[in-house]
Amino acid sequence: GQQLNQSPQSMFIQEGEDVSMNCTSSSIFNTWLWYKQDPGEGPVLLIALYKAGELTSNGRLTAQFGITRKDSFLNISASIPSDVGIYFCAVHLSGTYKYIFGTGTRLKVLA
Amino acid sequence: DGGITQSPKYLFRKEGQNVTLSCEQNLNHDAMYWYRQDPGQGLRLIYYSQIVNDFQKGDIAEGYSVSREKKESFPLTVTSAQKNPTAFYLCASSLLRQPNSPLHFGNGTRLTVT
Repeated sequence: GQQLNQSPQSMFIQEGEDVSMNCTSSSIFNTWLWYKQDPGEGPVLLIALYKAGELTSNGRLTAQFGITRKDSFLNISASIPSDVGIYFCAVHLSGTYKYIFGTGTRLKVLA
Repeated sequence: DGGITQSPKYLFRKEGQNVTLSCEQNLNHDAMYWYRQDPGQGLRLIYYSQIVNDFQKGDIAEGYSVSREKKESFPLTVTSAQKNPTAFYLCASSLLRQPNSPLHFGNGTRLTVT
């Protein structure tokens, strides 16, 4: 089936550093979403991307919808301890109400 | 505040027992979903429903059942036929009239079967 390859799987960074993670697919998608999940909680939507090439910011977060429509990246600037969690990318399957999720990037921030 | 409520937060059951997880939303969303999350894996779709009294199987529906008698409610039953039921279960909803509308999630139910 269709899969999203998310990398890195996990990362440790120092507080204040910038973080970059990405998500790739062998198929084209028209909607890319980025979610963050805190331990024991449900994922929360961070950024939604609907147009190839689109670059969208939400505070310290910036995400881009790849021009080929097969990838997306998420950057976090000046990381803080509360950025700890799992970040998921997700895509919408056109013509359906279904979504596919990546396996997540686990972020740990060292104070 | 509008949102999705899942209950209970933690659930323990003996093997061989059926168990029902509750999901209620007051967002007036038409579509509702159940996902399963295992450590180190992404979210996998169990069932979804676009309208009342209608639902479709997702990628891992075996051993699960659902009902959608009301727009606000989409309970999931984990049956004894599910071979590995211990997991974190997430309910979500979205607006039907916007097909690519993002999913909104509840806070999950952690089911442990021994």
